[in-house]
Amino acid sequence: NAGVTQTPKFRILKIGQSMTLQCTQDMNHNYMYWYRQDPGMGLKLIYYSVGAGITDKGEVPNGYNVSRSTTEDFPLRLELAAPSQTSVYFCASNGQGVTNEKLFFGSGTQLSVL
Amino acid sequence: KNEVEQSPQNLTAQEGEFITINCSYSVGISALHWLQQHPGGGIVSLFMLSSGKKKHGRLIATINIQEKHSSLHITASHPRDSAVYICAVLYRGGSNYKLTFGKGTLLTVNP
Repeated sequence: NAGVTQTPKFRILKIGQSMTLQCTQDMNHNYMYWYRQDPGMGLKLIYYSVGAGITDKGEVPNGYNVSRSTTEDFPLRLELAAPSQTSVYFCASNGQGVTNEKLFFGSGTQLSVL
Repeated sequence: KNEVEQSPQNLTAQEGEFITINCSYSVGISALHWLQQHPGGGIVSLFMLSSGKKKHGRLIATINIQEKHSSLHITASHPRDSAVYICAVLYRGGSNYKLTFGKGTLLTVNP
């Protein structure tokens, strides 16, 4: 199994540009999550999904959108990039939700908005 | 909201030393995760525990629910243990479960 795969690993955007961070997992996990990690801060939940077709906001959803058309894929969309979105983004998944199972993380996407 | 505090923020050790990283939180929890993040790399779950102690190789995690405190111990530390160690607590917030992450402890083990 490849686990959780994120692309790209690095990206530089100009203010106002759009992009999609890709996340795919091959473990047939129902639950998927997007987090951002700012320097010196703990991970913050952006959006999560409990299954195909179901998504919900986390702590810091503003400026982002997600979709979950398949069990495997959970892309994160930035429509109008802002400097405040400069961060490292992690996708994660697990089978049973946060209540009783370890999380599996991707390797991260380092995004700079200039 | 659950406040998660990790200590120390930074820790430097010599190879072979016994390491302890601490995590305290403010609100009662259902479970606690310990995660490892290597420089430039992804994040790996080490443990998830809700009581007592868990051991995996040279890593030991303990939790005291009454004192709202958990520790991660590394025995016979090695330079490859150098990483950021993150504590995350799972608790009931309203109608949902929430996971709050600490800021991490940067561990450097010198040969």
